[in-house]
Amino acid sequence: AQSVTQLGSHVSVSEGALVLLRCNYSSSVPPYLFWYVQYPNQGLQLLLKYTSAATLVKGINGFEAEFKKSETSFHLTKPSAHMSDAAEYFCAVGFGNEKLTFGTGTRLTIIP
Amino acid sequence: EAGVAQSPRYKIIEKRQSVAFWCNPISGHATLYWYQQILGQGPKLLIQFQNNGVVDDSQLPKDRFSAERLKGVDSTLKIQPAKLEDSAVYLCASSPGTVYEQYFGPGTRLTVT
Repeated sequence: AQSVTQLGSHVSVSEGALVLLRCNYSSSVPPYLFWYVQYPNQGLQLLLKYTSAATLVKGINGFEAEFKKSETSFHLTKPSAHMSDAAEYFCAVGFGNEKLTFGTGTRLTIIP
Repeated sequence: EAGVAQSPRYKIIEKRQSVAFWCNPISGHATLYWYQQILGQGPKLLIQFQNNGVVDDSQLPKDRFSAERLKGVDSTLKIQPAKLEDSAVYLCASSPGTVYEQYFGPGTRLTVT
């Protein structure tokens, strides 16, 4: 069975500071990994995805994530936080054409 | 290109009542998903359609939930009768053919009192 664990249900960073949201996965086969963002009262939007190509994946809005097999991690980073980054972020795992399994989410707050 | 449309956006009902949600996927998308997102949790897949056939409904509480996708386009998710624990946001997503390209609608927030 596959699963994801997001460490930290709430993360606060100052505007301009580094954003680091943590995601660890468990999968019996090579996984496909995703980060989604959800703004208030909206659906989920795909930020980036890893599908067994380059381990460093660049997404929209300046976010990127690195797949580390040895650490079973897929942490999301952004060098400089912006007020508009305040949202909830979900890590998800899938493989083949199976369903996605989502983590419980991390709410990111940006401090002015 | 129009996104995934859902209605209503908000619904409040009493327990034991019935409710229905509607989803119109992106034109041409063969795959349609319904997710349940309980407050503080990630989305959980309820049912997946490929055209008008069910691919996965293993987590759909079939004693009270039902879903259909007539003609492989629009879909309706129904709950009858509703329970307090059904309070959640119900998200619809569609995909052109792979699980890696899911596009989500804005969701329907259901409150059961």
